[in-house]
Amino acid sequence: AQKVTQAQTEISVVEKEDVTLDCVYETRDTTYYLFWYKQPPSGELVFLIRRNSFDEQNEISGRYSWNFQKSTSSFNFTITASQVVDSAVYFCALSGTGANSKLTFGKGITLSVRP
Amino acid sequence: DTGVSQDPRHKITKRGQNVTFRCDPISEHNRLYWYRQTLGQGPEFLTYFQNEAQLEKSRLLSDRFSAERPKGSFSTLEIQRTEQGDSAMYLCASSDPGPRNNEQFFGPGTRLTVL
Repeated sequence: AQKVTQAQTEISVVEKEDVTLDCVYETRDTTYYLFWYKQPPSGELVFLIRRNSFDEQNEISGRYSWNFQKSTSSFNFTITASQVVDSAVYFCALSGTGANSKLTFGKGITLSVRP
Repeated sequence: DTGVSQDPRHKITKRGQNVTFRCDPISEHNRLYWYRQTLGQGPEFLTYFQNEAQLEKSRLLSDRFSAERPKGSFSTLEIQRTEQGDSAMYLCASSDPGPRNNEQFFGPGTRLTVL
């Protein structure tokens, strides 16, 4: 069975602070994919990133960066210099491959960025 | 390239009534997924289709729920004899058949309220 744990439930920061959202996963698959999605107040889930289990390189996209560590089964997400528009619920998710492509989500982290 | 669309966006119904939701995936996406999201939780997988074939159903999908994708394009999700516990956001996602075939793109959801 697959499981995703997002231990943080709510985080509040002041604009321009850096913030890291934690994600820990469990799977018996040797090949799997990890994802982060953003759900703003409008409700639509927005895809942010996909990471293959064989690719442990960290990734940076603008103010966003992701740290994948297989040894600790973690896939953490850092927002640098946060902005009010970053306020949303962030979900980490896990899927297998081939026919096992359904997403297993964590419970989400509500991020509030105050001006 | 239009995104995933869902109709209706909101549905209010009385307990015991039947409801049907529609999802139109991104054009040429061969996989279509249904998820359910309740307040404060991450989305939970319900079922998915590859073309017109329904490949997996969650145990969450009781026999009151049925999904179809008759021509491999749009899909419908029907709930019969609705119960108050069915109140949730119903999300549809699609993914393409290429190398990025497990990147799922979500629609805006249908919010169901059962009175």
